[in-house]
Formats: sequence, structure tokens, C-alpha cells
Amino acid sequence: QVQLQESGPGLVKPSETLSLTCAVSAASISSYYWSWIRQPPGKGLEWIGYISYSGSTNYNPSLKSRVTISGDTSKNHFSLKLSSVTAADTAVYYCARCLYDILSGHIYDMDVWGQGTTVIVSS
Amino acid sequence: QSVLTQPPSVSAAPGQKVTISCSGSSSNIGNSYVSWYQQLPGTAPKFLISENNKRPSGIPDRFSGSKSGTSATLGITGLQTGDEANYYCGTWDSTLSAVVFGGGTKLTVL
Repeated sequence: QVQLQESGPGLVKPSETLSLTCAVSAASISSYYWSWIRQPPGKGLEWIGYISYSGSTNYNPSLKSRVTISGDTSKNHFSLKLSSVTAADTAVYYCARCLYDILSGHIYDMDVWGQGTTVIVSS
Repeated sequence: QSVLTQPPSVSAAPGQKVTISCSGSSSNIGNSYVSWYQQLPGTAPKFLISENNKRPSGIPDRFSGSKSGTSATLGITGLQTGDEANYYCGTWDSTLSAVVFGGGTKLTVL
């Protein structure tokens, strides 16, 4: 079955760039939409953005100025970069596969999730 | 403050039924599919309800979803202690051009 696995540094210094990768198995990143979601300690879910099968992206307006999501079809993985991080960016970061509604032109269900990776922003 | 509003907590006894509400607006729930996710303690969210009311493969029929106007509801019957989790609703918001989630509802099975 489809599996997603996040990886990256667990500790990032304030003002630096957070970089994470999501490795996808049993599905091609060229065939679906893929999202990053985060969850601060003890809080709810926040959608960060997605990358489409064709490489187009869409970001949460609240994070748009600091976020870049990219894909590498040769490695079948996609990545997240979040710049100028602060303590408020401390969270568990999840990647997920999204389903896309052609009629409405946007994503809806997130049907497969990675196990998540914890990122702490601290000096 | 979340765009979608959920009650912070609900509780019921084993074997009973519970419903969890998710309230939004015409720019999100009113115009898009609603999904529901279950997050057991210390684990990643799990896809629970698709397209307002469809159960993905492997999800028991004790779980159901519905939508009316700008609100959605998750129903769980025959409650089990293993259902204790946080439940989140999610949908697309056409004004924000973003996925939005509810703040989550903690279910306690007494």
C-alpha cells in the first residue's frame, strides 16, 4: 500500500531554514497532489501547502512568504522548505497524499499520511 | 482561532452514540467536500470520512458523516474505548484558497 515517510533535522536554529523530505512508496508523485501539514504541540492541524502532479504549488496564505514545496520525480519524493523559522514553527510536520476534484479545481481528502516528524526550533 | 468550529470535547459511555459538529461558512463547507480525520494519542491523523459521508476501505460502519448547508457532522455509534481520540474536520476554503481544519474535538469514552 502507499506509504509516506518524512525525514529531516529534528532541531533548527531560529532564523534558519527548515528542510524536510517526504519519501513516497507504492505511488508516483507524478500522479497525485501532495501536501504538508503541521501540528504544534498540544494544538490542531495547520495545512502548509501542496504540490501537484505537474509541479504546480499552492500555499497557505499565512505562510506563503516563507514556504517552498518542490518535487523530485527521479527520487519520487517531495520537499518542504520553511525559511526564517521561529519558536512558533516548532511542530510535528506531516506529509499526506491529497485527492483532487477536477470539477471544483481544488484538493479535498487527504487519504494517506506519513507518521510525522518533530521539528524543534531552538538555539 | 480555527476557520471551522468544533466543540473542544465530547463524551459518552461505551456502546452509546456520539455526534461531533463542524461549523463553517459558504466559502468552505457550503461549497466543498468535508473530510474527517481521527488522531489517536501520539499518532498521525487517519483518514476517516471522505466526501462528506463516504467511508474509506477499512473504516467500520459505526462511523458516519453528513453535511447540511454550512455544517457537517461526524457520528460514531457503538462507542469503544479504542475510539478515544481527537477528531478533526477539514475542507477547502475558496476565499482563503487553502485547506482549513477545525480545532479538533477530544472524544472521551467514559
